[in-house]
Amino acid sequence: QQPVQSPQAVILREGEDAVINCSSSKALYSVHWYRQKHGEAPVFLMILLKGGEQKGHEKISASFNEKKQQSSLYLTASQLSYSGTYFCGTGVTGGGNKLTFGTGTQLKVEL
Amino acid sequence: GAVVSQHPSWVICKSGTSVKIECRSLDFQATTMFWYRQFPKQSLMLMATSNEGSKATYEQGVEKDKFLINHASLTLSTLTVTSAHPEDSSFYICSATHPRQGNYEQYFGPGTRLTVT
Repeated sequence: QQPVQSPQAVILREGEDAVINCSSSKALYSVHWYRQKHGEAPVFLMILLKGGEQKGHEKISASFNEKKQQSSLYLTASQLSYSGTYFCGTGVTGGGNKLTFGTGTQLKVEL
Repeated sequence: GAVVSQHPSWVICKSGTSVKIECRSLDFQATTMFWYRQFPKQSLMLMATSNEGSKATYEQGVEKDKFLINHASLTLSTLTVTSAHPEDSSFYICSATHPRQGNYEQYFGPGTRLTVT
């Protein structure tokens, strides 16, 4: 079953913040976040492993709550380049490196 | 590092013909490669997991005789869509796991847009 992301779509003005959520019905071992621009392949943002850690990458960070089987991606001071569709990819224990991708969140940043 | 290429990037073929798509890891060796299909405005759906030197593992509902996968080396996997039909038109993307961090990171190729007429 595919992880559910929320919101489905969001429009921001440059400089605003956003949170994208990813919720799974399965016990997760890892959560991967990707950004995809139209007609292009997804670009790896970060990976979070079981342990409830939070990671940061400049103005983009993420958290992973393994008990709730949820992850959130935080975008601060958004830039025009952040526009795209964000996907979470989830891995389960015993699933090898296989990922199940979420429903996606379309993000558009405007001036 | 971690560059994955795909060829071709765009292909149009006639119904009933076969199309081969190549996926290469350019600067690393990938023991595992994945093939995904993505329809417009939808998520990536895993089709199969390809391990070098062994048979691919297909996801439920994916016809292995229609989507032939060969992983001949640590840097090359191929997907052949046999007897293609218009409903096979889609964006096909491969990914490869990088040896960093215990093979958890997946890096994607640029994708191949297939149109079957």
